[in-house]
Amino acid sequence: AQSVAQPEDQVNVAEGNPLTVKCTYSVSGNPYLFWYVQYPNRGLQFLLKYITGDNLVKGSYGFEAEFNKSQTSFHLKKPSALVSDSALYFCAVRDRGSTLGRLYFGRGTQLTVWP
Amino acid sequence: ETGVTQTPRHLVMGMTNKKSLKCEQHLGHNAMYWYKQSAKKPLELMFVYSLEERVENNSVPSRFSPECPNSSHLFLHLHTLQPEDSALYLCASSQDRIGTGFGEKLFFGSGTQLSVL
Repeated sequence: AQSVAQPEDQVNVAEGNPLTVKCTYSVSGNPYLFWYVQYPNRGLQFLLKYITGDNLVKGSYGFEAEFNKSQTSFHLKKPSALVSDSALYFCAVRDRGSTLGRLYFGRGTQLTVWP
Repeated sequence: ETGVTQTPRHLVMGMTNKKSLKCEQHLGHNAMYWYKQSAKKPLELMFVYSLEERVENNSVPSRFSPECPNSSHLFLHLHTLQPEDSALYLCASSQDRIGTGFGEKLFFGSGTQLSVL
């Protein structure tokens, strides 16, 4: 079965500090991995994805994510957090072998950046 | 805005009511989705339509009935719901074809917050 786990419900960080939002995955084959962000009263927005190649993927708003196959992780990172980054972040995975491309989402991690 | 519009934004209904959620996408996409978002639970994929044909029904109770009259519009008809159906219902669209990155980059609407009394 395909799944992702986001072990932290809440992450708090001061503005200007680096941030990390954790995600681990479980798939039967090689994964496609994604991060989405949800701002208050809005739908989810695509941030970035890992398909193949370089393990460090760069996305929107200065975010990046590091794919680690041995640890089955895909943590989201940003070198310097902004208050405006405060939102709910979702990790998602798709099995490459899936013909329907169904995305499996985690429960989400609430990121709060303090001024 | 993402180009996906959902109405209404909020809906309160009794268990015996019948209501419908509407979704419209202005992106020219060929696939549309309904997701259910409950607090502290993963997003649940409910229905997928590709080129107006339903390709997935994720074991959703029959009290939820989707309709996709064309590639730009998607409805979710609700009847005899239960209080546990209270959630944020999200519509999404994508430009994909089955078997080739289908459903990777999704564009979501803001959702309908549903409360069942």
